[in-house]
Amino acid sequence: TQLLEQSPQFLSIQEGENLTVYCNSSSVFSSLQWYRQEPGEGPVLLVTVVTGGEVKKLKRLTFQFGDARKDSSLHITAAQTGDTGLYLCAHRGPGANNLFFGTGTRLTVIP
Amino acid sequence: DAGVIQSPRHEVTEMGQEVTLRCKPISGHNSLFWYRQTMMRGLELLIYFNNNVPIDDSGMPEDRFSAKMPNASFSTLKIQPSEPRDSAVYFCASSFFGADTGELFFGEGSRLTVL
Repeated sequence: TQLLEQSPQFLSIQEGENLTVYCNSSSVFSSLQWYRQEPGEGPVLLVTVVTGGEVKKLKRLTFQFGDARKDSSLHITAAQTGDTGLYLCAHRGPGANNLFFGTGTRLTVIP
Repeated sequence: DAGVIQSPRHEVTEMGQEVTLRCKPISGHNSLFWYRQTMMRGLELLIYFNNNVPIDDSGMPEDRFSAKMPNASFSTLKIQPSEPRDSAVYFCASSFFGADTGELFFGEGSRLTVL
């Protein structure tokens, strides 16, 4: 059972546009992670959010953890073709170091 | 430094054949994970090891799947006998249990096609 639902599932936008993708759950998490996976490669960690309401910025990417620590969002400003990929949020399991991934948002940025 | 190394990158086999996927984690990491990725089910955790010991294999779909970690630098995922529904990309990842970030480092994956 997927605890983390991501939306939209697919997103295709023009270069230069802004976008937001979401990671939602009915469960409370101690932290959430965001990964990006490019075609033919494994996922790579972008950020970890820990505190409710926390906002973290990574260049043009802004990550927010919901106040109740049940959800998170990723906003990309002025998207570039290099942002194309599968964006995955993930939460820790009971084992503390095992990681469970959400359903993913597949982003395509068109030149 | 070398990342997580997986082999083979691609494997095409026929139903009923045995498949063995291999993984070399990052040196110094003490946790190793096997994931399976499909369009329908996304990225699923199959099994993970801490210090070479299997901790949770509840994600292993059937008895046809088995995983071993004989030492800190090598792990295998075996499927016997393979079935067409096992077709997927299988990822190995490693991490250092206890690190603040809890970051998982993934290999490039092994794409399995069972005909």
